[in-house]
Parts: sequence; structure tokens; C-alpha cells
Amino acid sequence: GDSVTQMEGPVTLSEEAFLTINCTYTATGYPSLFWYVQYPGEGLQLLLKATKADDKGSNKGFEATYRKETTSFHLEKGSVQVSDSAVYFCALKGQAGTALIFGKGTTLSVSS
Amino acid sequence: GAVVSQHPSRVICKSGTSVKIECRSLDFQATTMFWYRQFPKQSLMLMATSNEGSKATYEQGVEKDKFLINHASLTLSTLTVTSAHPEDSSFYICSARDRRDRADSGYTFGSGTRLTVV
Repeated sequence: GDSVTQMEGPVTLSEEAFLTINCTYTATGYPSLFWYVQYPGEGLQLLLKATKADDKGSNKGFEATYRKETTSFHLEKGSVQVSDSAVYFCALKGQAGTALIFGKGTTLSVSS
Repeated sequence: GAVVSQHPSRVICKSGTSVKIECRSLDFQATTMFWYRQFPKQSLMLMATSNEGSKATYEQGVEKDKFLINHASLTLSTLTVTSAHPEDSSFYICSARDRRDRADSGYTFGSGTRLTVV
């Protein structure tokens, strides 16, 4: 079945450092890909998405490119802030109406 | 944007009692509600999928008699944890699908419910 694999955390960075969180997927067909962010004690918020090969999703300085050849959707940010500290989830959606399939989540901790 | 209101945010109950968690879509019609359970430092595990007016579909290993899901209207779905025990303590999150959902649409999540059974 479909699955998502994320790099294990936690990831600890200093403010203004470069961030990469790796995500790869296994799916039949052409899934849509998402990054969600979860702040402590809260639900999930959609951070960005991409729906087809070579699409780049971006939001709040975060970017991720849908790479079909490597089945990857790595999350990047050029300069992280303390406020970016959260858990980040990579997810895929096979088709309309189906549940999102999540990776295990990566905890990011940014210190000043 | 779309909002899903989930209540309560935190609940502590005694072992053997039942707890009801509500999720309401505030400004859209949720044809489908997905219920997840999240263990500490772990990902979200899909428990069940409920379609408005139909019986919920449970994932393998999820006890349907323990986790009762009702989706009687397009704006409200409930999860009732019956005869709760300490091992049911967890973070429960709902996620709603808009009836205008497309393959590239993300879903809207509730803010979660922290259940502690003592």
C-alpha cells in the first residue's frame, strides 16, 4: 500500500540555519503531496502542497518540490526562526476522498 | 478559511466511564470525517472514516464497539470512547473533507483532544 517515510528527528538548529527534512513516498498512480505542521498541543495545519511532478509548493519561507523520479518531497527553508519549532508531517493523498497517509513526523527545535 | 472546531481540548475521566469528542465544520459541509489517534512522539494513526449518514469504516485493529463514531449531519461528527481505560489515553484528532474536495485538496484538522483516563 501507499506509504510515507520521513527522516527521523529531532532536528535541532540555531536560528537562521538552513533546514532540510527529507520525505520519500511509495504510491500507485500520482498522489498529491503535503506538508503539515503541528505546534505543541494543537492540531495540524497545512503548510504547503504539490499535486504533480515538478510542482513546487511554498509558504512562509518553506518550500518543497514534487520529484517523481526520486519519489521525494523534501521540505526546505533557508533561514529558520525560533517560531518554526514544531513537528512537521509529510503526507500523501492518493485520490479525492481518501484519507491522508502520514509519515512519522519530524520534530524541529530552533534555538536563538 | 475552513475551520473545524473540536471539543473538548482536554478531558480527564475515570476508568470505566465514556467520553464524547465533537468535531464541527464551521463554514463548510463535511461529507467525510477522518478520526486519528496520535501517540506521543508518533505519527497519526487513522482510526476510522465516517461518511455523513452512513456507518463508519474502521481500520484494522480498531474496536468499533469501543470507539463509537456518529456522523449524523454534514457539520457534526462525534467520537465516543466507551468504557475508557488508561490505555485509551491519547491525543485524538479529527479531519474533515469538504464536499467540494478534489484530489489535490488538503483536509482541515481539528485542534485535537487530549484524553487522560485515570
